[in-house]
Amino acid sequence: GQNIDQPTEMTATEGAIVQINCTYQTSGFNGLFWYQQHAGEAPTFLSYNVLDGLEEKGRFSSFLSRSKGYSYLLLKELQMKDSASYLCAVRDRGYSTLTFGKGTMLLVSP
Amino acid sequence: NAGVMQNPRHLVRRRGQEARLRCSPMKGHSHVYWYRQLPEEGLKFMVYLQKENIIDESGMPKERFSAEFPKEGPSILRIQQVVRGDSAAYFCASSPPVGRASETQYFGPGTRLLVL
Repeated sequence: GQNIDQPTEMTATEGAIVQINCTYQTSGFNGLFWYQQHAGEAPTFLSYNVLDGLEEKGRFSSFLSRSKGYSYLLLKELQMKDSASYLCAVRDRGYSTLTFGKGTMLLVSP
Repeated sequence: NAGVMQNPRHLVRRRGQEARLRCSPMKGHSHVYWYRQLPEEGLKFMVYLQKENIIDESGMPKERFSAEFPKEGPSILRIQQVVRGDSAAYFCASSPPVGRASETQYFGPGTRLLVL
């Protein structure tokens, strides 16, 4: 079966750094994605990892360890607008569908 | 470059009625995916389509739900005889033809279905 776990909620302060973890157990693996979703809006793509290591994109970085079934999303210099749900998703076969975790609700306070 | 379009954005139906949700993929995208998001739940895959073909419908309930992506026009997700448990946000995503493994799915704004 497919299982993707991430914390339900996290809080952080404006200007700080936060790390959102994701562990997965899937029947196959062909990439891990992070999406950001503001309340009532569509998920928007943040990052993609298919090989082990760190991918950096501006204030956001994503890390993957395939042997551990583990990824994290690192957000630096937090801004109020970063308050949102962060979704971890795994593509488990071919070029097809994504299996999503339940999302981590991040609240950034002043 | 218009993104993924979905309509309607909000849909209210009474139990037993039919709901039709439409999705127009991004220009150049030929793959469409439908997901359902219940309150406090993650996005759940329903169906994956290419033009005139259903590729994977493993996440679609066996009864009352159907999807199509005709040669011309938008993809349609149809829910017949809706029940209160069908109330959810339905998101459509699209991706370009297979070619680059890093190509991701781009989501539309969703249709929020409320069944009274």
